[in-house]
Amino acid sequence: GAGVSQSPRYKVAKRGQDVALRCDPISGHVSLFWYQQALGQGPEFLTYFQNEAQLDKSGLPSDRFFAERPEGSVSTLKIQRTQQEDSAVYLCASTPRTSGLNTGELFFGEGSRLTVL
Amino acid sequence: AQSVSQHNHHVILSEAASLELGCNYSYGGTVNLFWYVQYPGQHLQLLLKYFSGDPLVKGIKGFEAEFIKSKFSFNLRKPSVQWSDTAEYFCAVNLGGYQKVTFGTGTKLQVIP
Repeated sequence: GAGVSQSPRYKVAKRGQDVALRCDPISGHVSLFWYQQALGQGPEFLTYFQNEAQLDKSGLPSDRFFAERPEGSVSTLKIQRTQQEDSAVYLCASTPRTSGLNTGELFFGEGSRLTVL
Repeated sequence: AQSVSQHNHHVILSEAASLELGCNYSYGGTVNLFWYVQYPGQHLQLLLKYFSGDPLVKGIKGFEAEFIKSKFSFNLRKPSVQWSDTAEYFCAVNLGGYQKVTFGTGTKLQVIP
């Protein structure tokens, strides 16, 4: 497809379950980002990949959160032992790289809404 | 650390009214500035951006924003809003040359026909 694709769109998990959220970026986009958007808040940065390298994971809230992008394309955000405070929309975004500099323009997917009961 | 403040959380306007949404950021160096919009049921998309040059930037659908460096501000404006502008608007900033983009908390705009 032409845009960033995320799945599942909706996920309900019981507290303590593990979840995996998938992101398929725009073809050829080098950079991939994960953001967390809680209700009534703006997107909060979680982590960033350039190709398969995870260059910044400073936003991951705990060691229960793990992200990977093994072949530099599809990425998975995994949350272990989910807690109620993990309930949020998880957004994936990708960008092309232009002249070696980040243009800053993010192309977002529609997000995966996680509800932890 | 960079941060972005949006002072208006919820704005209600009648059609044809003028719009100004405030955005302030906290970083003294070179920044890139953005406004993103999220229409109901849709994904976030770029409305306009400022990297350098003319501080008055124009985006899609008649929106514009002015970068005032001395005030650390990047307010969004539109002279006459339409019902279809009902959406949530996010101001965002990133440090020049750095990948991470920081978002404000958003402003929900409701335009009444």
